[in-house]
Amino acid sequence: DTAVSQTPKYLVTQMGNDKSIKCEQNLGHDTMYWYKQDSKKFLKIMFSYNNKELIINETVPNRFSPKSPDKAHLNLHINSLELGDSAVYFCASPRGDREAMNTEAFFGQGTRLTVV
Amino acid sequence: GNSVTQMEGPVTLSEEAFLTINCTYTATGYPSLFWYVQYPGEGLQLLLKATKADDKGSNKGFEATYRKETTSFHLEKGSVQVSDSAVYFCALTSGGYNKLIFGAGTRLAVHP
Repeated sequence: DTAVSQTPKYLVTQMGNDKSIKCEQNLGHDTMYWYKQDSKKFLKIMFSYNNKELIINETVPNRFSPKSPDKAHLNLHINSLELGDSAVYFCASPRGDREAMNTEAFFGQGTRLTVV
Repeated sequence: GNSVTQMEGPVTLSEEAFLTINCTYTATGYPSLFWYVQYPGEGLQLLLKATKADDKGSNKGFEATYRKETTSFHLEKGSVQVSDSAVYFCALTSGGYNKLIFGAGTRLAVHP
């Protein structure tokens, strides 16, 4: 039973389109993240939600809008896709709250987005 | 701000060779330190961690010691296997909610 699952695994789309990536965790955690991994494997945090509330927004363009319908789900919607949005997007969920600093984060398999 | 610096890869080794991947960090306060591993086509998974100075994290033959005086958390393994080929990420937590700041990643390729 997968702890953090993302769909789709691969997404190829044209510039200008709008697309969504979905993430679900069955760990019972309150916190979920989106990370972007570029072609050089560099991982950068994008957003974090705790119990459906946005707590971290790391200077991501407004075209990216996360939505958390409940604490087990965190979706990422991207408007007007650009070539530079091509990357692998990872959802992750650590255990813990505001004070948490040392528990494991569980990652999804990633969604490889290719914008053509 | 907080940051992590890792040695650039790729690192190419023969099976049974000794591995070191260097990692240094800059942080305010007392972060926890982690090594995550990413196998081809997969997400990241925790390899080991250390939560305070002089702690040693270990798992699957890998070790790393939290050195506050040198702000380092170098990853070592005495004898690598082909199955260890992956990308290794050093990371620290910053700012609560287990927010992870990653290094750039180091690709390891082990040949028979």
